Amino acid sequence: RKEVEQDPGPFNVPEGATVAFNCTYSNSASQSFFWYRQDCRKEPKLLMSVYSSGNEDGRFTAQLNRASQYISLLIRDSKLSDSATYLCVVNLNTGRRALTFGSGTRLQVQP
Amino acid sequence: ETGVTQSPTHLIKTRGQQVTLRCSSQSGHNTVSWYQQALGQGPQFIFQYYREEENGRGNFPPRFSGLQFPNYSSELNVNALELDDSALYLCASSSLAGANSYNEQFFGPGTRLTVL
Repeated sequence: RKEVEQDPGPFNVPEGATVAFNCTYSNSASQSFFWYRQDCRKEPKLLMSVYSSGNEDGRFTAQLNRASQYISLLIRDSKLSDSATYLCVVNLNTGRRALTFGSGTRLQVQP
Repeated sequence: ETGVTQSPTHLIKTRGQQVTLRCSSQSGHNTVSWYQQALGQGPQFIFQYYREEENGRGNFPPRFSGLQFPNYSSELNVNALELDDSALYLCASSSLAGANSYNEQFFGPGTRLTVL
């Protein structure tokens, strides 16, 4: 079983749509949670951290359910520029700061 | 731009050869992590260097080795290249803080390695 599992997609949505991505993680000792965005043939970039209380950054809302070991990302009012791969990431927060990535969910926003 | 640079950007090697990839970390960062990203997959942790010492290793064989220099730049060396080593190799720099804090890792643009 993969440590971080995501639906690979692709999710094809029209501009203005709301889209949700889900992710599950296997290690209950995971302490920090993130969503990264990766454009085609580019490096991953931090989109947002995910907190137990849920957090929002503009059109993006992230949720964490520790009991179910489940993370979600909601994108409202999708823009063409949101087209990318979204990577669910966890960190064990041990002495080293290695990140464990999911395989990513590809989003294509269409005009 | 993150300030993390990697060289070369692309590289083609043949099976059995050796390769060295380089990474310059962002100013003020003392930690470099290396990741391998195969096509269609998320990055996988190879190892991390903190103040010139290895500070953790993922599930990669010993033919993957590394170095960190006093200026915190880093090298990834891969010996006896195999076809499956073809991937995007990413380095990420960060500033290792206390045990209960996380500082963002900033990724470089990567080196795309093709093994024929």
